[in-house]
Amino acid sequence: AQSVTQLGSHVSVSEGALVLLRCNYSSSVPPYLFWYVQYPNQGLQLLLKYTTGATLVKGINGFEAEFKKSETSFHLTKPSAHMSDAAEYFCAVTLNTGGFKTIFGAGTRLFVKA
Amino acid sequence: DSGVTQTPKHLITATGQRVTLRCSPRSGDLSVYWYQQSLDQGLQFLIQYYNGEERAKGNILERFSAQQFPDLHSELNLSSLELGDSALYFCASSGVFGGEQFFGPGTRLTVL
Repeated sequence: AQSVTQLGSHVSVSEGALVLLRCNYSSSVPPYLFWYVQYPNQGLQLLLKYTTGATLVKGINGFEAEFKKSETSFHLTKPSAHMSDAAEYFCAVTLNTGGFKTIFGAGTRLFVKA
Repeated sequence: DSGVTQTPKHLITATGQRVTLRCSPRSGDLSVYWYQQSLDQGLQFLIQYYNGEERAKGNILERFSAQQFPDLHSELNLSSLELGDSALYFCASSGVFGGEQFFGPGTRLTVL
């Protein structure tokens, strides 16, 4: 069965520190991989995506992620955290099953300390 | 603003009732997705429509149904509501089949 696992429901970093949010997936078919961010009382916004091609993908707000097929991982990083990065982050896998079923991880809430 | 609109923003109703949530996708997007977000279940995929046809189904209860109309707007119908159906319901749309999804602001459903 396909699944998405985000390690750590809560991550706390200091402003200016490296942000690393972990995501592992299992899929029997080549997945499309996404990271979304959700600010309080808002819908989800796409940060970045991997479909094919270059395995290191850059997104908005300085975030990037690397697709590692051998490790079935798609970890999200940002070199220097900003207070405005505090939000909930979701890793997602979209599978082509004739339609497109999207499975989301449980989410990781990022706290940024001043 | 993602371009996806959802109405109503909030809905409060009683157990056993039926409600309809409405979603208008971004202009030109043919795919519509419905999700349920709750504290205990997280973000769960319910169903996908593409150009009026159901294309993928997730953890959607039999009490729930959806459809996509010729003008591409979609409705999610929830019936025989239970307390556990209280959640945020998101609609998303995409233009490229299987591509990134643009999420609406959600409808917060409270069942009392």
